[in-house]
Amino acid sequence: GENVEQHPSTLSVQEGDSAVIKCTYSDSASNYFPWYKQELGKRPQLIIDIRSNVGEKKDQRIAVTLNKTAKHFSLHITETQPEDSAVYFCAANSGGYQKVTFGTGTKLQVIP
Amino acid sequence: DAGVIQSPRHEVTEMGQEVTLRCKPISGHNSLFWYRQTMMRGLELLIYFNNNVPIDDSGMPEDRFSAKMPNASFSTLKIQPSEPRDSAVYFCASSLQGNQPQHFGDGTRLSIL
Repeated sequence: GENVEQHPSTLSVQEGDSAVIKCTYSDSASNYFPWYKQELGKRPQLIIDIRSNVGEKKDQRIAVTLNKTAKHFSLHITETQPEDSAVYFCAANSGGYQKVTFGTGTKLQVIP
Repeated sequence: DAGVIQSPRHEVTEMGQEVTLRCKPISGHNSLFWYRQTMMRGLELLIYFNNNVPIDDSGMPEDRFSAKMPNASFSTLKIQPSEPRDSAVYFCASSLQGNQPQHFGDGTRLSIL
């Protein structure tokens, strides 16, 4: 089955700096890579996703890049703000594409 | 759009008791997922359904866990008998199809004493 590894497990940045979270996956057939943000005590919420037919996708301060050859993808947050503080999960689909496997999460702290 | 609705939000019970968690997916969504989240193991997929049919239950930890989806608008996850190590937050999520964004419910925080 799919194995998704995520680094780092914790990340502290100063407000206004950029944050980068990296993930690798094992199933070369994976073609859908969502990212979720989970605030303390709340549900995971999709913030951005990318499919294998593109290499990069942006949405305001958030961008995701995908390298299918190396089987890794990354989340980039620019101009970080305190409200970006949360746990971020990457994921990759597998199992006939119907399910996703989540990474172990990155706790991001943005220091004002 | 009411979103995915889970009940109860919190459940505290003694070990050995039966626990039933409920989920109403977003109308029109064909795929439903049950997850368990703990500090130690992260977010684990327990089982998922497509068009009310269980597709993959390989994540169900043991026979004490069972899940059903009798119709497109309702699913249950049962634990019988419950044990303290089952304490976790259980999330239900739904999506239009399996390869589409998943929408999570607010979760059920389960504590087994």
